[in-house]
Formats: sequence, C-alpha cells, structure tokens
Amino acid sequence: NAGVTQTPKFQVLKTGQSMTLQCAQDMNHEYMSWYRQDPGMGLRLIHYSVGAGITDQGEVPNGYNVSRSTTEDFPLRLLSAAPSQTSVYFCASTVSGTTGTQYFGPGTRLLVL
Amino acid sequence: AQKITQTQPGMFVQEKEAVTLDCTYDTSDQSYGLFWYKQPSSGEMIFLIYQGSYDEQNATEGRYSLNFQKARKSANLVISASQLGDSAMYFCAMREGPYDYKLSFGAGTTVTVRA
Repeated sequence: NAGVTQTPKFQVLKTGQSMTLQCAQDMNHEYMSWYRQDPGMGLRLIHYSVGAGITDQGEVPNGYNVSRSTTEDFPLRLLSAAPSQTSVYFCASTVSGTTGTQYFGPGTRLLVL
Repeated sequence: AQKITQTQPGMFVQEKEAVTLDCTYDTSDQSYGLFWYKQPSSGEMIFLIYQGSYDEQNATEGRYSLNFQKARKSANLVISASQLGDSAMYFCAMREGPYDYKLSFGAGTTVTVRA
C-alpha cells in the first residue's frame, strides 16, 4: 500500500492563478480531509468528505473547492490563489467507525507570490 | 475558543531522560478522542498514540504513554528514554463526538533532544 499520496510536493503560484492539489489513498478509507498548516497555528481543517459524492466545509474553507467522485481521490482546488494561501497542505484519511485515527500524506508546500 | 491548548512552545531534554508534553482540551461532548502526532523536520505527520474518552486505562505505545486526566481535561504525552530521533514538533489533537472525525489541533511543542 502506498498509503496517502499527494502531488505536487512543492508549487509556486502567482496571485490569481488557480491550481489543483492532488490527494489519493489506496486503503479504501471512506473519510478524507484537507488541512493547512501555518507557523504557530497547528493544522486547520479546510474541507472533508465522508464518502464518494459527499463533501463539507471545515474551519477555513474560503478560497478552496473540493469534490469526491471516487473513494480513492480527493482533490483540493484553489480558485484564485492569494498570498494568504501560502501554507503547507496536508491530506488525510481514516476508516469510519473506528477510533478515527487519521493518516496523513507527505504534504504539499505552496508559495503564492 | 481554543479547543486544544499546548502551552509549551519549545522544550529541551537530555538524551535517555523522560519528557512530558502538556495538552489541555475543551469539549462538552462525552464521547471524544485524543491523539498525538509527531512532525520531524522532514515535515510528515506521524501518528503516535490515541486515547478514547471512555478508555479507563492510559494509552501506551512503546516509549510513548498518554497521561489522561479526564476531570482536568488534560492529555499529556510522556516520552520515556528520549532519543536524538525524538527531536521534532509534537501536536495534540482531538475529535469530538462518536462519528465525527474532524480534528482540532494545538499549536504544537518543539522538542529538542540533547546528546
């Protein structure tokens, strides 16, 4: 099992550009989520999904869009990048009905100029 | 209001000694779960240990143990016999409710192990 994979590892964007951060898992986990990590603030939840076709907003959803067409994939779209979205983005997944331990991908470091 | 509070921004510990990382939480749910994650300088998030609110015993995983004091709403991580590889950022996190997997994270504590 590859676990949770994320691409790209690093990306530089200009203000106003859009892009998609990819996340995939091969563990058949129903629950997937996106977090951002900023210095001194821990991780904050952006969006999450409890299964294919079902998504919902987390704590900081503005400026981001998600969809979940398959169990395996959960892409995060930045609609119009802003410098405030410079951060490290983590995707995570877990099996529903258990302790809820989430397993994280390696992260994507995003710099918006 | 902050749901997870980690009051120690940074700590130094001597190799082979034990270190305790503080975590307090705030929730009105009866069913919740508490987690500790390690983030080394390479950046990945590594799951260390889990404690459920109804678990009567403190969780242990190898050199990691969780000192769970429910009445005080604290879930401190104890790392015994520290190793140089334990140098990392440590995050406390909580999920609330039996079927809700959203995590709230603390700001983290940086641990530096000295030889």
